[in-house]
Parts: sequence; C-alpha cells; structure tokens
Amino acid sequence: QGQLVESGGGVVQPGRSLRLSCAASGFTLSSYGMHWVRQAPGKGLEWVAVIWFDGSDKNYADSVKARFTISRDNSNNTLYLQMNSLRAEDTAVYYCARDPRQFSGWPSWYFDFWGQGTLVTVSS
Amino acid sequence: QSALTQPASVSGSPGQSITLSCTGTSSDVGSYNVVSWYQQHPGKGPKLIIYEVSKRPSGVSNRFSGSKSGNTASLTISGLQAEDEADYYCCSYAGSITMVFGGGTKLTVL
Repeated sequence: QGQLVESGGGVVQPGRSLRLSCAASGFTLSSYGMHWVRQAPGKGLEWVAVIWFDGSDKNYADSVKARFTISRDNSNNTLYLQMNSLRAEDTAVYYCARDPRQFSGWPSWYFDFWGQGTLVTVSS
Repeated sequence: QSALTQPASVSGSPGQSITLSCTGTSSDVGSYNVVSWYQQHPGKGPKLIIYEVSKRPSGVSNRFSGSKSGNTASLTISGLQAEDEADYYCCSYAGSITMVFGGGTKLTVL
C-alpha cells in the first residue's frame, strides 16, 4: 500500500517561513495528484491545496492563497508546501493526502491515503 | 469556501443504526457527486470510509453507507460498535478547483 511521511514542522515566529515535505514510499508519487490538509488543535479538517500529478496545475484555499505554495519533485517522490508570512491561525497538524486518480489532469476530489501529519506552531 | 454543516455530536447504543448529516449548498454538495466521508480516531490521521457519495473502499465494513439528497449528504452506520466511536468528517468538491470539509461530528457509542 505504501506510506506518506510528512516532515519539516516545528515552532516558528509569526511572519516567518517554513517548508514542509511529504515523502512517498511504496508507490510512485508522480502518478497521483496530491493535496495538503490541515487540522488546528482540537478543530476540524481544512483543505489547503492541490497539485496535479505532473505539477501542471494547482490551487489553494482562500485562507492561504498568495502565502503558501504547493510543489512536487517527482524525481525524488516528494511533495512540498512552502509556507510564507505565517500567522498564528496557521497553527495546525498538516497532512499530505493522495488523490486516487492516476495519470489524469483532473483529480478525483477525495483522499484515499494520508500521512501521519506534522505539527506547525506559529508563536512568538 | 464556507464549511459544510455537520452536527457537533451524535450518540447511539451498540447495535443501533445512526445517521450523520452533512449540509452544503448548491455550489458544492448539491452540484457534485464527489462527497466523501472520513473517520478519525483520537491522535490518528483520517481514514476514508465513503467516496463519491456512496462507494465504499476495499476493506471498509459494509455497515457504513452513504447517500445524498439535494444539498445534504448522509452517512449511516448500522450495527453500531464500540470501535465506531470517533470523529467523522464529510468533504465535497466545491468548484473552482477547491474542496470544503464539514466541521466534523463526534460519535459517542453509549
């Protein structure tokens, strides 16, 4: 089945940047569209961003647009989330999640496989 | 991108059937048959239990079923078991290459 492992979380001051990584093993990341989803402490899930399997298209939730950038390095089987101008309200566990449709420009719009998450805390 | 509406909590006794609702709008749930449901136990990542309104992934119990009517999707759990106690989230495509989750329902098995 494979595994997704997020890394790069930690404590960061407001206004600073952080880059999260999501490494895939057991399957070929480049075949799938990928998403980032976050969950603030004690709160619900929030969709953050999507990227097509080949990186040709991407989009973001309004709450992170113009501050976050989703990207991928298919040669290294890794997904990224560059987070700039961080705010206290960005504090959350960030999950990478796989969209099950393979080799298609249009995602399936659900998540069949999730990582364990990495915690980002934005605090001075 | 307003969140879908789910009841904050639901409870039921073992063996009972319960239905969780997820209400959206004509811009999300009402327009697309890509509603999915996720189960999350405390301290764990979410797990897909229903996709495309009513389809069940391999390995998920047939006690879980999904449906949709208009702007409201529903998840029914039959033969409630103690292990079903968890948080449940619905999710839908919302157009313009975006997605939206519900606020989540905490299911308590009495």
